[in-house]
Amino acid sequence: AQSVAQPEDQVNVAEGNPLTVKCTYSVSGNPYLFWYVQYPNRGLQFLLKYITGDNLVKGSYGFEAEFNKSQTSFHLKKPSALVSDSALYFCAVRDSYNAGNMLTFGGGTRLMVKP
Amino acid sequence: EAGVAQSPRYKIIEKRQSVAFWCNPISGHATLYWYQQILGQGPKLLIQFQNNGVVDDSQLPKDRFSAERLKGVDSTLKIQPAKLEDSAVYLCASSLGRGGPRGETQYFGPGTRLLVL
Repeated sequence: AQSVAQPEDQVNVAEGNPLTVKCTYSVSGNPYLFWYVQYPNRGLQFLLKYITGDNLVKGSYGFEAEFNKSQTSFHLKKPSALVSDSALYFCAVRDSYNAGNMLTFGGGTRLMVKP
Repeated sequence: EAGVAQSPRYKIIEKRQSVAFWCNPISGHATLYWYQQILGQGPKLLIQFQNNGVVDDSQLPKDRFSAERLKGVDSTLKIQPAKLEDSAVYLCASSLGRGGPRGETQYFGPGTRLLVL
């Protein structure tokens, strides 16, 4: 079975400071990991994904994420937060053992960036 | 490139009524997904199509939910009869779906917000 946890319901950060949104996962095989962002009354927008290769993945809008196999984590990071980054962030995982492409999403973390 | 289209954007119905949602995926995407997102939770997959065939519908409440993708392009999700707990955002997504998706990116539409009274 595949599962993902986002331990923080909300993360508060000041504009210009670095931000981290945490994600841990559980799979039987190899993980395929994704980050999506959701703005109010909008669908989910793809930010980045880890399939294989370098543990540090760079994505849209200056975001990056680090895959850590030993800690089963895939934390989202950005060196300098913007007020416009305020949104709901979802981590998702797919187990390589799953024949389909079913994603399991975490419960989401609300990021609040204050001026 | 046009994204995933969904309609309607909002729907309010009484319990025990029926409702249908429509989705048109990104052109050329063979795989289509329907997700249910209850307020305060992450999306949950209801059904996955590969062309016009069902790949996974293990989490679809089949006593009241149905979905079809007859020509392998657009899709309809129906709820009949609706219950109060069906109030949620219904998201459609699509992906390329070529030759065994290894972590394919899914692209989401804007969603349909359903309120059941």
